[in-house]
Amino acid sequence: EDQVTQSPEALRLQEGESSSLNCSYTVSGLRGLFWYRQDPGKGPEFLFTLYSAGEEKEKERLKATLTKKESFLHITAPKPEDSATYLCAVTIASGTYKYIFGTGTRLKVLA
Amino acid sequence: DVKVTQSSRYLVKRTGEKVFLECVQDMDHENMFWYRQDPGLGLRLIYFSYDVKMKEKGDIPEGYSVSREKKERFSLILESASTNQTSMYLCASSSPGTGGADTQYFGPGTRLTVL
Repeated sequence: EDQVTQSPEALRLQEGESSSLNCSYTVSGLRGLFWYRQDPGKGPEFLFTLYSAGEEKEKERLKATLTKKESFLHITAPKPEDSATYLCAVTIASGTYKYIFGTGTRLKVLA
Repeated sequence: DVKVTQSSRYLVKRTGEKVFLECVQDMDHENMFWYRQDPGLGLRLIYFSYDVKMKEKGDIPEGYSVSREKKERFSLILESASTNQTSMYLCASSSPGTGGADTQYFGPGTRLTVL
């Protein structure tokens, strides 16, 4: 069964304390892996798309990487405004337009 | 910038009412989606549409229907609202990506409460 698992479920960091969020997947024929940020009560905001193992994307304090089994979202020197839920999703070769979502990591950055 | 808008941010309805949730995108995207999001369950696909008047069921279509009469607009209909349909409803539209990996862009969401 195609599956996406995110860990940890929740993470508390001090401001400036770098860390990584994990998204592991077991799917047949990955087409793309997506990272989103979601603030409470709002819709997910697109961050990155990764297509193949070894690919990396960066945006401000965030860097996403992809291997054949998992993706990491690295957060360097986080600030309180980085507090949000981070969602991971994949599309697969046989899935038409369908996304398979993880349940997210709730990140809290303390000042 | 891609813009996906939803007709209401918050909605309160009574059990048995017919409910319409509307979504509009301004990027000429072919594909549009309706999800619901519940704590601990993540996002679950209700329906999607890949063209005007075309639709496909997602993972949890029961109790819902959809309408797409124009490319930019995708409506979700709850024929007879029930309390277990209280949820956050999210609309998305997608643009073509590399190798068929379309990127989905989401609207702000509608928090629906059914009393």
